[in-house]
Amino acid sequence: SQTIHQWPATLVQPVGSPLSLECTVEGTSNPNLYWYRQAAGRGLQLLFYSVGIGQISSEVPQNLSASRPQDRQFILSSKKLLLSDSGFYLCAWSQGVSTDTQYFGPGTRLTVL
Amino acid sequence: AQKITQTQPGMFVQEKEAVTLDCTYDTSDPSYGLFWYKQPSSGEMIFLIYQGSYDQQNATEGRYSLNFQKARKSANLVISASQLGDSAMYFCAMRPFTGTASKLTFGTGTRLQVTL
Repeated sequence: SQTIHQWPATLVQPVGSPLSLECTVEGTSNPNLYWYRQAAGRGLQLLFYSVGIGQISSEVPQNLSASRPQDRQFILSSKKLLLSDSGFYLCAWSQGVSTDTQYFGPGTRLTVL
Repeated sequence: AQKITQTQPGMFVQEKEAVTLDCTYDTSDPSYGLFWYKQPSSGEMIFLIYQGSYDQQNATEGRYSLNFQKARKSANLVISASQLGDSAMYFCAMRPFTGTASKLTFGTGTRLQVTL
């Protein structure tokens, strides 16, 4: 069966510091991968998605970037964090066929101080 | 562009009763998929049920069923025989059947509280 991992689970970072969040998927190959952000009490906002290694599409212009160095690895980064980057970051995968249902990881709670 | 509207910020239901969570959507795409997710306090988004816009029958998954009314553009989630563990946030989402990736648009969610 497929599993998706995210780390770290929680992170507290000062404004202006760099960021690296990692997401890995097991049990499938060539998945579509997604990064979402959820502000407190809000729905999810799609940040980036990837249909293959090195292929990244950005949905929202911001100071975040994403990379996919391996088939089942998706990384969210920032060079300098802003207060507004605080939130709950969720990674998801889908198989790209049939209903293309997205399955989510446990998430990373980021607080920027 | 797609839009999902969930007009119920919070709902209460008694244990063992049924509850309906409302979801309306707006899209210009001729074909699309509709999803419901559950988010407990731990934060993980759990997939519950899927309905395709061309599906003739309403989707069911155990105690979950989706009341799909295409003409009204509504996709309400019905939970039967509520349990205490059903207490969580519930999100409705949709995606068009175009493009190379499943770009979901989410609603703002409904917080369900199941009481004794």
